[in-house]
Amino acid sequence: DAGVTQSPTHLIKTRGQQVTLRCSPISGHKSVSWYQQVLGQGPQFIFQYYEKEERGRGNFPDRFSARQFPNYSSELNVNALLLGDSALYLCASSLTGGLGYGYTFGSGTRLTVV
Amino acid sequence: SQKIEQNSEALNIQEGKTATLTCNYTNYSPAYLQWYRQDPGRGPVFLLLIRENEKEKRKERLKVTFDTTLKQSLFHITASQPADSATYLCALAQGDNFNKFYFGSGTKLNVKP
Repeated sequence: DAGVTQSPTHLIKTRGQQVTLRCSPISGHKSVSWYQQVLGQGPQFIFQYYEKEERGRGNFPDRFSARQFPNYSSELNVNALLLGDSALYLCASSLTGGLGYGYTFGSGTRLTVV
Repeated sequence: SQKIEQNSEALNIQEGKTATLTCNYTNYSPAYLQWYRQDPGRGPVFLLLIRENEKEKRKERLKVTFDTTLKQSLFHITASQPADSATYLCALAQGDNFNKFYFGSGTKLNVKP
C-alpha cells in the first residue's frame, strides 16, 4: 500500500515566483494537512482539509493557499515567494482529520527560494 | 501562545543505555501530547500519544510520561540501539478537533555502538 506521496521532491524557485506543491494521501484517507519545516525547527501547521473543506489554518500569510480535490489529493500554493519560504513542506494524511486515527506524513517537498 | 521547548543540544549515549528526552510547555496543559521520530530528509513518524489524564504510556522499548503539574513530558528509549539515532519531536494537539499539531524543534539522539 502506497504511503503519502508528495511531488516534486525538490524545487528551486526565484523570489517573487509562485509554486504549487502536490500531495496524494493514503488510499481511504479523507483529510490532508500541510506543514512547513524550516531547517532546525519543528514543523509548523499551515492548513488542514477534510472532504474538500478547510478545517483549520495556521498563522501564515494569505500568500499561502490550498485546496483539496474530489479524490482527496491536495495542492498547496505559495505566491510571491520570499527567501524565508525556503523549507521542507510536509503533507500528512489521516482518515478523518481527528486525532484518534493517527496521521501519516509524507517525505516532503524541499523548496529553495533564491 | 503556547511554547514548546525541547533540548536543542544533541543527546549522545552508549548503546544499551536508556535515552531520556524532555519536552516542556508553557501555559495550559494540552489534552494530547505526541512524540514523533524524524530521520534526515524524511517526514515525522508517529510513535506514541498520551492523554492529559494518563501519567504513563508504553510501547515496546518506548515509554512516555506526562506531568501536567511540571508541564513536562519525558520520552524514554530503553536498551537503545544505533538504529534509534534520529531527531525526536514532541507535539501538542490543539484546535476544535485536535487537528492542529504544534511541534517542538526536536532533540537529536545519537546512539554510539
